[in-house]
Amino acid sequence: DAGVTQSPTHLIKTRGQQVTLRCSPKSGHDTVSWYQQALGQGPQFIFQYYEEEERQRGNFPDRFSGHQFPNYSSELNVNALLLGDSALYLCASSLRGASRGEKLFFGSGTQLSVL
Amino acid sequence: KQEVTQIPAALSVPEGENLVLNCSFTDSAIYNLQWFRQDPGKGLTSLLLIQSSQREQTSGRLNASLDKSSGRSTLYIAASQPGDSATYLCAVKSNDYKLSFGAGTTVTVRA
Repeated sequence: DAGVTQSPTHLIKTRGQQVTLRCSPKSGHDTVSWYQQALGQGPQFIFQYYEEEERQRGNFPDRFSGHQFPNYSSELNVNALLLGDSALYLCASSLRGASRGEKLFFGSGTQLSVL
Repeated sequence: KQEVTQIPAALSVPEGENLVLNCSFTDSAIYNLQWFRQDPGKGLTSLLLIQSSQREQTSGRLNASLDKSSGRSTLYIAASQPGDSATYLCAVKSNDYKLSFGAGTTVTVRA
């Protein structure tokens, strides 16, 4: 049973460029959430996708956008990259139809470096 | 806005000692609290999930308690081992379904 998979594992970009990160949820899960984790800090919620729509959003600018596909996989897009976007980007999946107390399962993350 | 605090930020103990990690949160209206482990540069591994109606959860050497009214949770790790060295994060799910994380406690277990 495959867990949450993310690609790529590492990425180096320059300021102003655009980047796309990908996530495949754990088998049987239908909800994907994205988090940004700066060095030495806890993850910060970016947004959540369910039924191919953005359901919730954290305090991130419109440069951060996403998409969910019919197979529940998801992409995170960041435009006009800034140095401050350098972080570990984590994807988490869950089953929305379960109780509100469902457990989150995380991928290993994509380490993004903006030069 | 939910604020989650973890103290201490770092902890170093000799092998065999019991670990006590603290997590506090400002808004007691929560659905659940989850403890995670994170190895350097890696993703998060879920350790324990405590629902708002529960007082504690146990898994092997790990025990987590929850006092919702006082906004506190404690993770106990018995008989620590060098393999327990990692950063431990607590996360609180609030009424708006958003998950708020603490900054973590980095644990080093000395052999």
